Amino acid sequence: SQELEQSPQSLIVQEGKNLTINCTSSKTLYGLYWYKQKYGEGLIFLMMLQKGGEEKSHEKITAKLDEKKQQSSLHITASQPSHAGIYLCGAVSNQAGTALIFGKGTTLSVSS
Amino acid sequence: DTEVTQTPKHLVMGMTNKKSLKCEQHMGHRAMYWYKQKAKKPPELMFVYSYEKLSINESVPSRFSPECPNSSLLNLHLHALQPEDSALYLCASSQDSPSGSTDTQYFGPGTRLTVL
Repeated sequence: SQELEQSPQSLIVQEGKNLTINCTSSKTLYGLYWYKQKYGEGLIFLMMLQKGGEEKSHEKITAKLDEKKQQSSLHITASQPSHAGIYLCGAVSNQAGTALIFGKGTTLSVSS
Repeated sequence: DTEVTQTPKHLVMGMTNKKSLKCEQHMGHRAMYWYKQKAKKPPELMFVYSYEKLSINESVPSRFSPECPNSSLLNLHLHALQPEDSALYLCASSQDSPSGSTDTQYFGPGTRLTVL
């Protein structure tokens, strides 16, 4: 079965600093999703990447998909306290795209 | 509007109780999902409904019974649960287009369930 490995597991950065979170799949990625979750709350959709080499940005968050390496990265520029939370990468578990599997998440804390 | 609503927000129940979780979306999505999330773990898929028919059951115990009365509603009926079933239950929906791998799943805020 497909597995997603996220790194780092947790991250503490000073406000204003940049950071990167990685997500590596054990199998071919048909679609890669990034979500953010506050503890005990629902998942907020950030971005979806499908094509190899694809890069998307939203405000200060940029995500890239390297299909050859079966890896995606999420980069936050000039972090703010509002960026704190748990970042989850998710991937469709088969080409039919019927369900998502998730990485274990990266907990981000931003100190002011 | 990408809103998925879930009720109740919190639920405490005994092991002999029967309760239901509700999920609603008005985005015209035809796929709906139940996920279970234990503390400090990622969400795990329980059920998938496609066009109001159950398409995936991830070997979930029969004490969890899903129901999709129409394309906008998804219920999860709970009966004789165990304390280890305490978790955050998340509902999601997506378009369910032929090229499903491009469909984004939108999640509700979840129901925090505690089984005593």
